[in-house]
Amino acid sequence: DAGITQSPRHKVTETGTPVTLRCHQTENHRYMYWYRQDPGHGLRLIHYSYGVKDTDKGEVSDGYSVSRSKTEDFLLTLESATSSQTSVYFCAMTESALDTIYFGEGSWLTVV
Amino acid sequence: GNSVTQMEGPVTLSEEAFLTINCTYTATGYPSLFWYVQYPGEGLQLLLKATKADDKGSNKGFEATYRKETTSFHLEKGSVQVSDSAVYFCALTPGGSNYKLTFGKGTLLTVNP
Repeated sequence: DAGITQSPRHKVTETGTPVTLRCHQTENHRYMYWYRQDPGHGLRLIHYSYGVKDTDKGEVSDGYSVSRSKTEDFLLTLESATSSQTSVYFCAMTESALDTIYFGEGSWLTVV
Repeated sequence: GNSVTQMEGPVTLSEEAFLTINCTYTATGYPSLFWYVQYPGEGLQLLLKATKADDKGSNKGFEATYRKETTSFHLEKGSVQVSDSAVYFCALTPGGSNYKLTFGKGTLLTVNP
């Protein structure tokens, strides 16, 4: 196991409610990512982090925010969930561009 | 910008058939190239990678060669098994200080006995 876990693994929530997904790693890797996976789109980058309190936007960041207050945790927040945010969310980590990027097992989010 | 284009699926093969999944990329500089595999209900796992031109990545009978002249990184396997049924993603990181992984849309492979 690569030492990266996501929680919750499955969640159903109502439109307009806030949701936070947590990614936790035990490898002390510097870089962490949040992707969403949707049919016909593959994986698209939401936000990424290159260190504690250092984050940047990906290609589909609207409606999402992130925080990284310590190396091991990277939180993804949907401030007010919408049905278009129903998706599978994957967290990932790596130490450098030439190293393997390890993925968590995914969080299935349904917004009703 | 950086992008990855891989062949549309789904791909359906019989066991022991030859597999090719095409992947081409657009990137500035010297990207690193990857193939990831996703089995049903699971996250992505690295299958193989190549970090410079003419490198060949290989793993579990799969292989892909980094071709800078054709900007390609096609995945091949000589004899597929039912257990190879999965979604395959081609991906790149641009290199340098850019650590963002850009994915293709994925190709679903089904291998029938």
